Amino acid sequence: EVQLVESGGGLVKPGGSLRLSCAASGFSFSSRSMIWVRQAPGKGLEWVSSMDSSSTYIYYADSVKGRFTISRDNAKNSLYLQMNSLRAEDTAVYFCARGDRRGGLPFSMSDYWGQGTLVTVSS
Amino acid sequence: DIQLTQSPSFLSASVGDRVTITCRASQGISTYLAWYQQNPGKAPKLLIYAASTLESGVPPRFSGSGSGTEFTLTISSLQPEDFATYYCQQVNSYPLTFGGGTKVEIK
Repeated sequence: EVQLVESGGGLVKPGGSLRLSCAASGFSFSSRSMIWVRQAPGKGLEWVSSMDSSSTYIYYADSVKGRFTISRDNAKNSLYLQMNSLRAEDTAVYFCARGDRRGGLPFSMSDYWGQGTLVTVSS
Repeated sequence: DIQLTQSPSFLSASVGDRVTITCRASQGISTYLAWYQQNPGKAPKLLIYAASTLESGVPPRFSGSGSGTEFTLTISSLQPEDFATYYCQQVNSYPLTFGGGTKVEIK
């Protein structure tokens, strides 16, 4: 069974930093792209960042570029999101998701999702 | 960036109704579109990918169609567990983008 478990969320002051983790199990983590998606309270889904299986291709939303860094440790089956210079508008539930390109998709959709971890940026 | 516009943003329907949600892309994305369902407080769930391919385990009352700039998600006979929010997502190019969502509520 595919499982994705996020951790590391919490309350942080504006300008602060936080590192999210996503522990993966039930599939070959090292062969899959991985994705972070966030959802502000009462709002829709926003794609944040994607990384391919070998950490070669990395993409960020403009809203987080230069402040957030995605990384992975295939030996530990883990995905990370280092978030620096946090702003109030970064307040959201952050979901980790597994990427998949079935059906000839050029880039990965998200076929399995974790339950999310809440990040609150407030003074 | 490719913008996705979903309509309606809110839909009130009854059990057994046929429901159609539209997703329009600001430029052509072939069939590189996915649909997700999200219940309150839960993670999104993949329903359909490549515009019309049903994800394994998803009931056949769900179907998707379209290509280019216009796509639809149809629920042929709404069930109680289908009252949720639905999102489309394009995976044609980065940045990946989601539609604003369609909340389906009980009439």
